Amino acid sequence: EDKVVQSPLSLVVHEGDTVTLNCSYEVTNFRSLLWYKQEKKAPTFLFMLTSSGIEKKSGRLSSILDKKELFSILNITATQTGDSAIYLCAVVRNNDMRFGAGTRLTVKP
Amino acid sequence: DGGITQSPKYLFRKEGQNVTLSCEQNLNHDAMYWYRQDPGQGLRLIYYSQIVNDFQKGDIAEGYSVSREKKESFPLTVTSAQKNPTAFYLCASSIWRVNAYEQYFGPGTRLTVT
Repeated sequence: EDKVVQSPLSLVVHEGDTVTLNCSYEVTNFRSLLWYKQEKKAPTFLFMLTSSGIEKKSGRLSSILDKKELFSILNITATQTGDSAIYLCAVVRNNDMRFGAGTRLTVKP
Repeated sequence: DGGITQSPKYLFRKEGQNVTLSCEQNLNHDAMYWYRQDPGQGLRLIYYSQIVNDFQKGDIAEGYSVSREKKESFPLTVTSAQKNPTAFYLCASSIWRVNAYEQYFGPGTRLTVT
């Protein structure tokens, strides 16, 4: 059965810390991996990763995919309280996406 | 403004009643999706539709039904057969381009059944 596993499930850090969120997967018909940030309601798109080893960056956030070891990481440097959210990893299959359970990040001032 | 709308934001129902959640998009997306979110379980796919008048079951379709009579609309009915219907429901839509795939989410409907 296809699965997407995120770790840790929750994380509490202080402003300025750097965090690494993990997403491992076992999925047939893999097409790409997506990261989302969910603050209150709808998830918002962060990154799409299709190829191994190519880092995607957006400000303090970056992500990379390893298709051989079947995982991705999302890094956030110099965290701010506004980074507090649930971060969702999703793997795109042929016709749909399989989501992980998410990592709840809390950044304390 | 282009986007996805879901209504209502909050919905309360008595056990044994069917309830329909609305999802409309004006993004001209072909594909639409319904997810359910429970605490600690991420998003689970209920149904999806890639074209009008066609839809497919997702991972947890039991107790739910959908229709796709128009490209813009993909309503979800939570039937009385759904054993644990209280949850947050998210609708999404997408286009499919070569090397690109993004889903745009609606604001969600929180359903409480007592």
